[in-house]
Amino acid sequence: ILNVEQSPQSLHVQEGDSTNFTCSFPSSNFYALHWYRWETAKSPEALFVMTLNGDEKKKGRISATLNTKEGYSYLYIKGSQPEDSATYLCASWFNNAGNMLTFGGGTRLMVKP
Amino acid sequence: DGGITQSPKYLFRKEGQNVTLSCEQNLNHDAMYWYRQDPGQGLRLIYYSQIVNDFQKGDIAEGYSVSREKKESFPLTVTSAQKNPTAFYLCASSMGTATEAFFGQGTRLTVV
Repeated sequence: ILNVEQSPQSLHVQEGDSTNFTCSFPSSNFYALHWYRWETAKSPEALFVMTLNGDEKKKGRISATLNTKEGYSYLYIKGSQPEDSATYLCASWFNNAGNMLTFGGGTRLMVKP
Repeated sequence: DGGITQSPKYLFRKEGQNVTLSCEQNLNHDAMYWYRQDPGQGLRLIYYSQIVNDFQKGDIAEGYSVSREKKESFPLTVTSAQKNPTAFYLCASSMGTATEAFFGQGTRLTVV
């Protein structure tokens, strides 16, 4: 089993705060990393797909970075809003694991108005 | 509209019974996946399939079976051998390796 770890497990912030979460993964045989947002009563939706070391992606107030050599990715949310409340999942593909997407445990973000 | 459809949304099963969860996609994706989520935990892979008539075990395949007779369909059977089947089940599909996965709405299975 390839372990993908996320921290923290949950996070409560005030509206307007900026926040970040961590996803760590085994750096050997790394192929790609995904970030998904999972809102209550909806399906998970992809935020970013990242493959290259040093890659940075941005979508509105949300951005992500990737360090494949040390095996981690950060997701940043600038100026959190109540609608950002969701569970954020990261998932990795590995070269030696076929077509298998391995998920971390998720970070549950709650933004208070 | 293209997407993934899981049915039913809620399912109750008596102990000792097999039950089949449906997953259909019209995205023309080659790969399909089944994940299980338990309270407070992440998504754990049960089975995945890269092409028709081929599938591989994930991390927690014991007590489950799948088939992939058509590209669009990847049903999951929860057998009586699964010791703790009560959970939320998510089906997903993707075009191929490392590409974005698309998810269904999930099926919540409860054993009564």
